[in-house]
Amino acid sequence: KAGVTQTPRYLIKTRGQQVTLSCSPISGHRSVSWYQQTPGQGLQFLFEYFSETQRNKGNFPGRFSGRQFSNSRSEMNVSTLELGDSALYLCASSSDASSYNEQFFGPGTRLTVL
Amino acid sequence: AQSVAQPEDQVNVAEGNPLTVKCTYSVSGNPYLFWYVQYPNRGLQFLLKYITGDNLVKGSYGFEAEFNKSQTSFHLKKPSALVSDSALYFCAVRDDDYKLSFGAGTTVTVRA
Repeated sequence: KAGVTQTPRYLIKTRGQQVTLSCSPISGHRSVSWYQQTPGQGLQFLFEYFSETQRNKGNFPGRFSGRQFSNSRSEMNVSTLELGDSALYLCASSSDASSYNEQFFGPGTRLTVL
Repeated sequence: AQSVAQPEDQVNVAEGNPLTVKCTYSVSGNPYLFWYVQYPNRGLQFLLKYITGDNLVKGSYGFEAEFNKSQTSFHLKKPSALVSDSALYFCAVRDDDYKLSFGAGTTVTVRA
C-alpha cells in the first residue's frame, strides 16, 4: 500500500498570503489528522477529520482550517499568513475511529513564511 | 487534559549498550500510549503502542516499552543500540477523546 502523501513538500509564501496544503491518506483510512511541528513548540495537534467531519480541534486561531473530502483526502488552509506559521506541517492517517489505532504520518510540507 | 513529559532532551549512548528513553504521562481516561521516531527531514514512523494487557510491549527495530500504571510511565528501551537508531523520539498519549498529544521529543545519539 502506498503511504500517506502530502503536497507540496516545500512552500514559500509571504506574510498576508494564504496557503492550502493537501494530504492523501493510506487507501482505506478514514481518519486524517494534522499537526504543526516547530523547534520551539514541538508537535502540536491542529485538527482531526473522520468521514468528512471535524472530530477534534487543537488550540489554533481560526486562520487555520481544514476539510476532508468523500475520498478521505484532506486539505488544510492557513489564511493571512504570519512569520510564526513557518513550520513543518504533518498529516497522519489511521484506519478508523478508534483511539487505540496508530497513526501513519506523511513526510510533511515545509512552509516558510517570509 | 492529557499530557506527556519526556524529561531528557538528549540521550547519548555507545553502540551496543542499552538504550532507554523516558516518558511519563497524564490522562483522565484510558491511556493509549505510542512511541514514534523521526529521522531528519522525514515524517514520524510508528514504533509501538500500549493499549491494554501485557505491560511489556514489543515493537519495530528491536524496540520495546514497559507500561507502568503506578508510575504513569512508558519508557522506551532497546537492549543493544545501533548507530542507525540515532534520531528524534516522541512519546504520545491518546485518550478516549481521540486527540493525540506528543511529548517534546528526545534526541538519541548513538556513537560508534
